[in-house]
Amino acid sequence: SQTIHQWPATLVQPVGSPLSLECTVEGTSNPNLYWYRQAAGRGLQLLFYSVGIGQISSEVPQNLSASRPQDRQFILSSKKLLLSDSGFYLCAWSSDRGVTEQYFGPGTRLTVT
Amino acid sequence: AQKVTQAQTEISVVEKEDVTLDCVYETRDTTYYLFWYKQPPSGELVFLIRRNSFDEQNEISGRYSWNFQKSTSSFNFTITASQVVDSAVYFCALGYQKVTFGTGTKLQVIP
Repeated sequence: SQTIHQWPATLVQPVGSPLSLECTVEGTSNPNLYWYRQAAGRGLQLLFYSVGIGQISSEVPQNLSASRPQDRQFILSSKKLLLSDSGFYLCAWSSDRGVTEQYFGPGTRLTVT
Repeated sequence: AQKVTQAQTEISVVEKEDVTLDCVYETRDTTYYLFWYKQPPSGELVFLIRRNSFDEQNEISGRYSWNFQKSTSSFNFTITASQVVDSAVYFCALGYQKVTFGTGTKLQVIP
């Protein structure tokens, strides 16, 4: 069966510090991968998605970036965090075979102080 | 552009009551997919159902049922005989490879 991991679960970082969140998927090959942010209040905002290694599409211009160095690894980064980057970050995957639902990881709660 | 509207921000019901969560969508695509997800307090979104635009059959899964009506662009979700474990935020979503989520409806089931 497929599983998706995210770490860390919780992170408190000062403004201006770098960020690296990691997501890995097990049990599937060539998944579509997604990063979402959920600010306090619930709405989900798609940040990045990837259909393959090195292929990243950005949905919202901001100081975040994403990379996919391996087939089942998706990394969200920032060189300098802003207060507005605080939120709940969710990674998700879906099959590359037609349209399927997305499966989400446990999330990382980021607080920028 | 796609849009999903969940007008009910929060709903409270007493255990064993039935509750319907509304979802209205907008899209210019003729082929599209609709989804419902549950987000319990732990935070992880759990997939509940997927529907494609060509399948308007209603679906029932245990206490859950979904009513898809293309004529009104709605995909409503009903929980029958609600339980405390149903307390969560529920998201309706629309899309193909990229998915647009609604803002969610927070359901509180009171024992």
